[in-house]
Amino acid sequence: GDSVTQMEGPVTLSEEAFLTINCTYTATGYPSLFWYVQYPGEGLQLLLKATKADDKGSNKGFEATYRKETTSFHLEKGSVQVSDSAVYFCALSDRRDDKIIFGKGTRLHILP
Amino acid sequence: ETGVTQSPTHLIKTRGQQVTLRCSSQSGHNTVSWYQQALGQGPQFIFQYYREEENGRGNFPPRFSGLQFPNYSSELNVNALELDDSALYLCASSLGQDNEQFFGPGTRLTVL
Repeated sequence: GDSVTQMEGPVTLSEEAFLTINCTYTATGYPSLFWYVQYPGEGLQLLLKATKADDKGSNKGFEATYRKETTSFHLEKGSVQVSDSAVYFCALSDRRDDKIIFGKGTRLHILP
Repeated sequence: ETGVTQSPTHLIKTRGQQVTLRCSSQSGHNTVSWYQQALGQGPQFIFQYYREEENGRGNFPPRFSGLQFPNYSSELNVNALELDDSALYLCASSLGQDNEQFFGPGTRLTVL
């Protein structure tokens, strides 16, 4: 079945460092891809999405490009802030049904 | 515009008991999805309700059941609770299928 694999955390970086969180997926169809973020004590929020190959999703300085040839959707940010500390989930949704399949999440700590 | 709300925030039950969790969808949304998030894991899809009908189900036993009401709020019922049911239960609402899902803050269930 469809699945998502993302790099394990925790990831600890200093403020203003470059961030990459790797994500690869397995899907039989043509899924939409997402990154969700879960801040401490808050619900899941959609960070960005891409619905077809070569699409780039971006929001709040974060970017991810839908790479069909490598089945990847890596999350990047050029300069992280302490406020980016959270758990990040890579996810996919197959348009045959409406369920979202999540990776296990990557906890990110940003040090001042 | 009110977001997705869930009640209660926390709940402690003992093995074998039954529990009901509640979700109020965002204003105007007619679709509700439920997810189970075990500690350190990504959310897993339980089922979805669209206009009061179940519209897809994940790999969960029948003791997990749900309802959606005419105002599109929803309940998740779990019978014969097991220790492994301890998790954060997330509700998400959307406007129709194949649209962005907005998540509530979750209900933390502990089964002793």
